[in-house]
Amino acid sequence: SQTIHQWPATLVQPVGSPLSLECTVEGTSNPNLYWYRQAAGRGLQLLFYSVGIGQISSEVPQNLSASRPQDRQFILSSKKLLLSDSGFYLCAWSGLENSPLHFGNGTRLTVT
Amino acid sequence: AQSVTQPDIHITVSEGASLELRCNYSYGATPYLFWYVQSPGQGLQLLLKYFSGDTLVQGIKGFEAEFKRSQSSFNLRKPSVHWSDAAEYFCAVGTTLSGGYNKLIFGAGTRLAVHP
Repeated sequence: SQTIHQWPATLVQPVGSPLSLECTVEGTSNPNLYWYRQAAGRGLQLLFYSVGIGQISSEVPQNLSASRPQDRQFILSSKKLLLSDSGFYLCAWSGLENSPLHFGNGTRLTVT
Repeated sequence: AQSVTQPDIHITVSEGASLELRCNYSYGATPYLFWYVQSPGQGLQLLLKYFSGDTLVQGIKGFEAEFKRSQSSFNLRKPSVHWSDAAEYFCAVGTTLSGGYNKLIFGAGTRLAVHP
């Protein structure tokens, strides 16, 4: 069966520091991969999605970037964190043709 | 543009009572609809999905949802709520765009509290 791993679970970083969150999927090939952010008291905002290695699309302009160096690996990065980057970050994968998204357990990021 | 509205931000029910969470969507074609549940500090778990066919769909944990095209609704129901159902519930509408990308638009969520 397919599983999705996301780490770390929690992270506290100072303003201006770099960020790297990693997500890996097992048990499937060529998944669509997604990064969502969930701010406190708000819904889910799609940040990035990827349909293949090296193919990244951004939904909203921001301080973050994403990369997909391998088929089942998705990385969320920042060179310099802002206070507004605090939130709950969720990685997800899906198959094709309107299949549902399957989410990881998320990373709670606090920028201080 | 597609959108999802969950009119109720918070709902409180007693354990054993029935539950209905409302979801309305705006979408130009036949929608693909989902309900997810999120426990505090956790990711989202898929409860059920509607693609086509029978408008009443069954999900996990005793949940069901009914698709009503005339009302643009996809309400989630459970006949008897358990204390462990306390969580946040998200409705989503999806579509597949060119290149195979599945775009899900989520509602703002409904937080469910269960009284003993």
